[in-house]
Amino acid sequence: DVKVTQSSRYLVKRTGEKVFLECVQDMDHENMFWYRQDPGLGLRLIYFSYDVKMKEKGDIPEGYSVSREKKERFSLILESASTNQTSMYLCASSPQRGTTQLTYEQYFGPGTRLTVT
Amino acid sequence: GEDVEQSLFLSVREGDSSVINCTYTDSSSTYLYWYKQEPGAGLQLLTYIFSNMDMKQDQRLTVLLNKKDKHLSLRIADTQTGDSAIYFCAEIDSGAGSYQLTFGKGTKLSVIP
Repeated sequence: DVKVTQSSRYLVKRTGEKVFLECVQDMDHENMFWYRQDPGLGLRLIYFSYDVKMKEKGDIPEGYSVSREKKERFSLILESASTNQTSMYLCASSPQRGTTQLTYEQYFGPGTRLTVT
Repeated sequence: GEDVEQSLFLSVREGDSSVINCTYTDSSSTYLYWYKQEPGAGLQLLTYIFSNMDMKQDQRLTVLLNKKDKHLSLRIADTQTGDSAIYFCAEIDSGAGSYQLTFGKGTKLSVIP
């Protein structure tokens, strides 16, 4: 059974703190993604990675950075948390094109609800 | 860029059929997906349809694709209270070298007992 796990379901941090959100997948997927989800705005892509040590900016990368040192792990970092980063954060993974799986869907973790006070 | 549009809310009575609609702009879309998100959870893939198909049925779920109008719909027969969730439409152009899905904003389905 495919699995994407996120380090915390709920997190409360103070403004200015450095925050690490961890995501691990056990499907040997090449691609990993970080989204934030806000009411009325849907999912917005923050960063994605298509290989170890590779990263690409998504639609809203400001205020965030990422790290992918191992294939199975993709970390999202809030360098200095702010209240406007209070949100639900979702991690996802998908296989590379050309693999046996042809449908390219993304598999999601359960999400981390982050509150910055 | 690509865009995917959905209405934000739908309310149906238990036992009725639900139809959630989605329109997209990318004529190169290869796969289109429906995801379900239950309260407080991540997204779960419900079903997908390849762009050369018109319809796909899977138990209570029927997906219809109108390529000419770039319209996708998800029909849930005999809707149950457990179907209450947010449903996301998404598309990918797998030929474009992108690994990204483009998501709609989600339709919140409320099922009235």
